[in-house]
Amino acid sequence: TQLLEQSPQFLSIQEGENLTVYCNSSSVFSSLQWYRQEPGEGPVLLVTVVTGGEVKKLKRLTFQFGDARKDSSLHITAAQPGDTGLYLCVTSGTYKYIFGTGTRLKVLA
Amino acid sequence: NAGVTQTPKFQVLKTGQSMTLQCAQDMNHNSMYWYRQDPGMGLRLIYYSASEGTTDKGEVPNGYNVSRLNKREFSLRLESAAPSQTSVYFCASSRLAGAVTGELFFGEGSRLTVL
Repeated sequence: TQLLEQSPQFLSIQEGENLTVYCNSSSVFSSLQWYRQEPGEGPVLLVTVVTGGEVKKLKRLTFQFGDARKDSSLHITAAQPGDTGLYLCVTSGTYKYIFGTGTRLKVLA
Repeated sequence: NAGVTQTPKFQVLKTGQSMTLQCAQDMNHNSMYWYRQDPGMGLRLIYYSASEGTTDKGEVPNGYNVSRLNKREFSLRLESAAPSQTSVYFCASSRLAGAVTGELFFGEGSRLTVL
């Protein structure tokens, strides 16, 4: 079973700061998704990356997929309190979606 | 736009009691999943149904059973609840099982406490 390691596990920052969270695996990803989960809610898809080296931007969020497709990062510019939540990387295997352990982000006003 | 609906949202059980978590989706998705989420453990797959009429075990199936009642509904049953099953349970669906770019849609979760 492919294991996804996310770092850091917890992150508390002030509004306006930048941050990066990471997702790593010892195996090659077929594709990678990033989800955000807010308290009391289910995770919601932010982005899907498929091609090694791919970069996608979603407003202040920038997602990178490593050239070797074994790692990914999420960079947030000028974080806002609304960015608070649990960020999960997810890869898909045969009929299954495999979740990382998550990075819990808190942005303080 | 209901999406994925789970019931109940909260439940407290005593050890040994049984219960069923219900899940329904209105997006005509083929695949449905049950996950549990524990602190520091991410989401772990309990069972999934790639298509109507099929179910398969995930990472942590022990102590659970599932039924894919029809294309819309996928239920999770705890036959004899144990404190280790205290968790938040999420139902999810996707259009195609394991599709490379398929999006998972989640319900709001069911918080279960077993005393």
